[in-house]
Amino acid sequence: EDQVTQSPEALRLQEGESSSLNCSYTVSGLRGLFWYRQDPGKGPEFLFTLYSAGEEKEKERLKATLTKKESFLHITAPKPEDSATYLCAVSGGNNRLAFGKGNQVVVIP
Amino acid sequence: ETGVTQTPRHLVMGMTNKKSLKCEQHLGHNAMYWYKQSAKKPLELMFVYSLEERVENNSVPSRFSPECPNSSHLFLHLHTLQPEDSALYLCASSQLQGGYEQYFGPGTRLTVT
Repeated sequence: EDQVTQSPEALRLQEGESSSLNCSYTVSGLRGLFWYRQDPGKGPEFLFTLYSAGEEKEKERLKATLTKKESFLHITAPKPEDSATYLCAVSGGNNRLAFGKGNQVVVIP
Repeated sequence: ETGVTQTPRHLVMGMTNKKSLKCEQHLGHNAMYWYKQSAKKPLELMFVYSLEERVENNSVPSRFSPECPNSSHLFLHLHTLQPEDSALYLCASSQLQGGYEQYFGPGTRLTVT
């Protein structure tokens, strides 16, 4: 069974204080690793797809990287509007998305 | 309308009621999904439709009944629910089933009293 573990569960950052979120996974035949952002009371918003180890994707202050066992979401110089829960998911040979519980990030002005 | 829309956004129902959730995608996708999101738990996949055929039913109780009349619309019919069914219900779509990113709607916050 595909599994995703995200850490830390919750993170408080000062504005401008860079940090990284971790997503460890086990999957049979990785077809893609996905990062989403979710604001309270809303649906997840797609951020990135990573397909193979060594791949990196960037969007504004966010950068996602992938190894054979884990992915990191780096947040550089965060702003209060980056406060959200970040979800990681993997798609394997069973064609399902397996989600982690999320990293709840709060950026304090 | 763009993306994935869901109605209603909030729903309160008694255990003996019957109600339906509606989802519509405007992305030209061929696969649609229902997920349940409860506090402190990962998203739980409920149903998958690919090319209007149900391809997955993830051991969901029969009080939840999905319907996919065409590739743009998805319904979740609810009856005789339990309080533990209170959650955020999310609809998603993707180009195809498999290693494709899924796009989510805003969700329906369901409370069962």
